[in-house]
Amino acid sequence: DTEVTQTPKHLVMGMTNKKSLKCEQHMGHRAMYWYKQKAKKPPELMFVYSYEKLSINESVPSRFSPECPNSSLLNLHLHALQPEDSALYLCASSQEGLAGAIEQFFGPGTRLTVL
Amino acid sequence: ILNVEQSPQSLHVQEGDSTNFTCSFPSSNFYALHWYRWETAKSPEALFVMTLNGDEKKKGRISATLNTKEGYSYLYIKGSQPEDSATYLCALAGRGGGADGLTFGKGTHLIIQP
Repeated sequence: DTEVTQTPKHLVMGMTNKKSLKCEQHMGHRAMYWYKQKAKKPPELMFVYSYEKLSINESVPSRFSPECPNSSLLNLHLHALQPEDSALYLCASSQEGLAGAIEQFFGPGTRLTVL
Repeated sequence: ILNVEQSPQSLHVQEGDSTNFTCSFPSSNFYALHWYRWETAKSPEALFVMTLNGDEKKKGRISATLNTKEGYSYLYIKGSQPEDSATYLCALAGRGGGADGLTFGKGTHLIIQP
């Protein structure tokens, strides 16, 4: 199984809602990533988890809260988002180690709209 | 902050023609260079990961080269087919460490015209 799955595919939420994005992989990868892509821009790194521990946080606002409950799952909890947070949220995974010299496997993304 | 530039931004190519596009990056911050193909409504898919100056990699009709000293990589597609239509993303791993997030360029949007 070389697939990264993400749910939901689409999410519309209000600024006062709390929601979560979910990402799952069963490839035994111990590194997992969240990226955000706004229209006509490249994907931007948000968080990196390595062996279920947060290793990189790219100064993301606290209204985004990542969680890695086990080696197969990565969540992104959303609270009090702003309309400018509307974007495609991509999850990826890779084998750990090798200093970024190994391919990342991406999910199809969750398209988030904040009203 | 790493700056990864890709050109051209978009490209229309006749079916059967060959094409190439460029990724440039700061040569002083380099661990690995990735190329991904991203088709509409699908997941980005890894094509190549390159680490060494002078690296050349090939997958079918697609190949890539890497020059870390001058900070660029080329992606070549030989005999373009309609299924090659996609956005091609270049990304840099410049941080080191065990798990390294990627810095992406804006991509080259390739359209193959029958």
